[in-house]
Amino acid sequence: DVKVTQSSRYLVKRTGEKVFLECVQDMDHENMFWYRQDPGLGLRLIYFSYDVKMKEKGDIPEGYSVSREKKERFSLILESASTNQTSMYLCASSGSFERQYFGPGTRLTVT
Amino acid sequence: GQNIDQPTEMTATEGAIVQINCTYQTSGFNGLFWYQQHAGEAPTFLSYNVLDGLEEKGRFSSFLSRSKGYSYLLLKELQMKDSASYLCAVRDSRDSNYQLIWGAGTKLIIKP
Repeated sequence: DVKVTQSSRYLVKRTGEKVFLECVQDMDHENMFWYRQDPGLGLRLIYFSYDVKMKEKGDIPEGYSVSREKKERFSLILESASTNQTSMYLCASSGSFERQYFGPGTRLTVT
Repeated sequence: GQNIDQPTEMTATEGAIVQINCTYQTSGFNGLFWYQQHAGEAPTFLSYNVLDGLEEKGRFSSFLSRSKGYSYLLLKELQMKDSASYLCAVRDSRDSNYQLIWGAGTKLIIKP
């Protein structure tokens, strides 16, 4: 079975802090994605990566950056956390033309 | 533009049948997915349709009509554990990087 893990289930940070969210997949998938999910808005794509060191902006990249130094690991970085970044963050991975497999999610609260 | 529409919320009774509709408008089409998401948890894959017709998997079935830009998820013999949000997502064939366009999800409430 595909396994996607995320570094934390719950995280509380202060405004202005730099925040790192890590995601690791064990299926040698080329594609990895970071989403945020807010009530009534569904899943919104922040960034995705289709290969090591390759990244593309999704629909809402402002205030975020990503890093993919190894194929199995995709990190989301909040350079300076703000309260409007309080959300559920979901990482996913997929192979070519396959479904996306999701990690358990990180519920981030910025105070 | 690209758009996916689903009802926001539906209510059904345990043991009954419910149909959740999804309509989409995308530049291209290369498959439609249904995911289930329980509150506070990650989405889990339910079904995938790329050709017209009905795909059946136990109590769950999914239907696709590409000409109408329409799909539905049919849940039979509803159980309390089916209370969840159901997400419809479309892969746009013009996108070479395998992104999905997501609907906002339908919250299904099952009553005894």
